Amino acid sequence: NAGVTQTPKFQVLKTGQSMTLQCAQDMNHEYMSWYRQDPGMGLRLIHYSVGAGITDQGEVPNGYNVSRSTTEDFPLRLLSAAPSQTSVYFCASSYEGVSTDTQYFGPGTRLTVL
Amino acid sequence: AQSVTQLDSHVSVSEGTPVLLRCNYSSSYSPSLFWYVQHPNKGLQLLLKYTSAATLVKGINGFEAEFKKSETSFHLTKPSAHMSDAAEYFCVVSVTWHTGFQKLVFGTGTRLLVSP
Repeated sequence: NAGVTQTPKFQVLKTGQSMTLQCAQDMNHEYMSWYRQDPGMGLRLIHYSVGAGITDQGEVPNGYNVSRSTTEDFPLRLLSAAPSQTSVYFCASSYEGVSTDTQYFGPGTRLTVL
Repeated sequence: AQSVTQLDSHVSVSEGTPVLLRCNYSSSYSPSLFWYVQHPNKGLQLLLKYTSAATLVKGINGFEAEFKKSETSFHLTKPSAHMSDAAEYFCVVSVTWHTGFQKLVFGTGTRLLVSP
């Protein structure tokens, strides 16, 4: 199993550009989520999905869109990039969605917005 | 609200000496707690998790953590540090979002430095 994969690993955007961060998992997990990591703030939840076709907002959803057309894929779209979106983005997946469930993280995408 | 506080932003040890990374939690009931490790420019890897089955939890790479309800602590320890342990460590609690989704709340991290 490849686990959770993310592409690209690094990206530089100009303010106003759009892009999609890709996330895929091959563990047949129903639950997937996106977090952003900023210095001194830990990770914060952006959006999540509890199954194909079902998504919802997390703590910091503004400026981001998601969709979940398949169990495997959960892309994150930046509609019009802003410098405040400079961050490291992690995708995670889990099987049961209960409090004791292990969440598996991808390697991250480091995004810089100029 | 449930949260975790990591008491040290940096911890420095010598190779072969014990490691102690401190974490306190805030929760009104028995929480699900985790420790994750992040090596430089890498993703997050689960070290261990507490799910109320046992207060002493053993993880990978010789790490363990003890859940102490009286102290609201979940400190991470290792008897003997190795150079490869140098990384950032996150104490994490699982929190029920208002929609029912289980989201992770991360501490701010402790960077472990290991010197030869």
